[in-house]
Amino acid sequence: DTGVSQDPRHKITKRGQNVTFRCDPISEHNRLYWYRQTLGQGPEFLTYFQNEAQLEKSRLLSDRFSAERPKGSFSTLEIQRTEQGDSAMYLCASSLRRGGPTGGTDTQYFGPGTRLTVL
Amino acid sequence: EDKVVQSPLSLVVHEGDTVTLNCSYEVTNFRSLLWYKQEKKAPTFLFMLTSSGIEKKSGRLSSILDKKELSSILNITATQTGDSAIYLCAVYAGGTSYGKLTFGQGTILTVHP
Repeated sequence: DTGVSQDPRHKITKRGQNVTFRCDPISEHNRLYWYRQTLGQGPEFLTYFQNEAQLEKSRLLSDRFSAERPKGSFSTLEIQRTEQGDSAMYLCASSLRRGGPTGGTDTQYFGPGTRLTVL
Repeated sequence: EDKVVQSPLSLVVHEGDTVTLNCSYEVTNFRSLLWYKQEKKAPTFLFMLTSSGIEKKSGRLSSILDKKELSSILNITATQTGDSAIYLCAVYAGGTSYGKLTFGQGTILTVHP
C-alpha cells in the first residue's frame, strides 16, 4: 500500500500521560499536514511541513502539542499531559507541492487516522 | 477567520434518488475548493475545483463551482447504499491561511435500499 499510513490506529491513555503518533506520507510527497477531527465536525488544521521545515504551527491547540518531521519523511505529533478534551481523531495528510511556495494548490491525501481516547 | 458551511447537515434518501449537497465559503484569497468522501476512516479525495462554471465529473458524481456566489454543489445521481458517507467540502485560501485546508462540518448522507 503506497498511501499515507498512521500508527497507532487507536490509542487509549489516562489523563496526564504523554502520547506520540506517527505519520508516514506518500513517498514522493514533500508536504505533510496534521488535522484533528472531533465527532460531527470536519477536520481542523493543526500544522504542516514542507520537507523538514514546519511552515505553520500557530494553529496547534496549545503548547502541549508539538510536531516534528526531522528528515523530511515521516512525522510525529506529540501531546503532553493529555486531557479528556484531547480525545479525537488525529489525521495526517500529504501532498506534492511543485514549484514555488506561494500560489496554486495541491491535493491532500489523508491517512486512516489515529483515534485517541483520554480516560 | 476563514469559514466553510455545508448544507444540509444530514440527508436520508432511497437508492436511485438524486441528491445535491451544498457548500458555501467565506475566505480571503480563495485558491480552490475540494470535495472529500469520508466513510469510517480517512477522507478520500473526490474533486478539486479552481475555475468557476467548470463541471468536474466522475461516474455518478459531479461538482461545479460558482465563484460569484462563493459556493459549490456536489451532485450524486442514482444513489447507491455505498454512497452513504460524510461528504466534506474544504477550501484552500491564500494570505495567512496559506497551506491549510479549511473544512466544513460535513453532510451525512444515508442511502437506504
